[in-house]
Amino acid sequence: KNQVEQSPQSLIILEGKNCTLQCNYTVSPFSNLRWYKQDTGRGPVSLTIMTFSENTKSNGRYTATLDADTKQSSLHITASQLSDSASYICVVSLNDMRFGAGTRLTVKP
Amino acid sequence: EAGVAQSPRYKIIEKRQSVAFWCNPISGHATLYWYQQILGQGPKLLIQFQNNGVVDDSQLPKDRFSAERLKGVDSTLKIQPAKLEDSAVYLCASSYQRLETQYFGPGTRLLVL
Repeated sequence: KNQVEQSPQSLIILEGKNCTLQCNYTVSPFSNLRWYKQDTGRGPVSLTIMTFSENTKSNGRYTATLDADTKQSSLHITASQLSDSASYICVVSLNDMRFGAGTRLTVKP
Repeated sequence: EAGVAQSPRYKIIEKRQSVAFWCNPISGHATLYWYQQILGQGPKLLIQFQNNGVVDDSQLPKDRFSAERLKGVDSTLKIQPAKLEDSAVYLCASSYQRLETQYFGPGTRLLVL
């Protein structure tokens, strides 16, 4: 069983709308939790990084939250743009890095 | 600052052939990673180098995959012989030190026919 589970598997939203992606993990405690954005045909790019003691981190229109009690992290995207269409991958690190399978987001005009 | 470079970007081979991928990490990054990413899945770590030493190769299919980073800078990943299930994107990443933010290259898309 993967130690990092992401949901939904895919999501379609209209441009300008907000959305929230979920990451459930079993690795606890951990060193840090990262969210990556992966555009089609490109390598992942780091969006946010949170340590175990942090509960929120923002990067522009992207806000990641962490609930250590429920072992959940969320990535909230505000006022979505067409360029937000990508896969979003949650990665939890302790002694190694555990990757989620990602959520495929499509933003339509 | 130049990013992680990979070549080739695309490769099509027949099963049982061999193939090699090359990666040049960001200058000064001690840690280099090779990942396999099958369509619709997250990256799976194949091997991790710290300078020119292997830190983790537990998920590398050693009967057919090999990797080296002889001078602690660039690296090659080889598959010999290739199987149909090796069709995937092979991503190289580097970080300043272990468990720090990784910077990924564009990947090599491999298709095995």
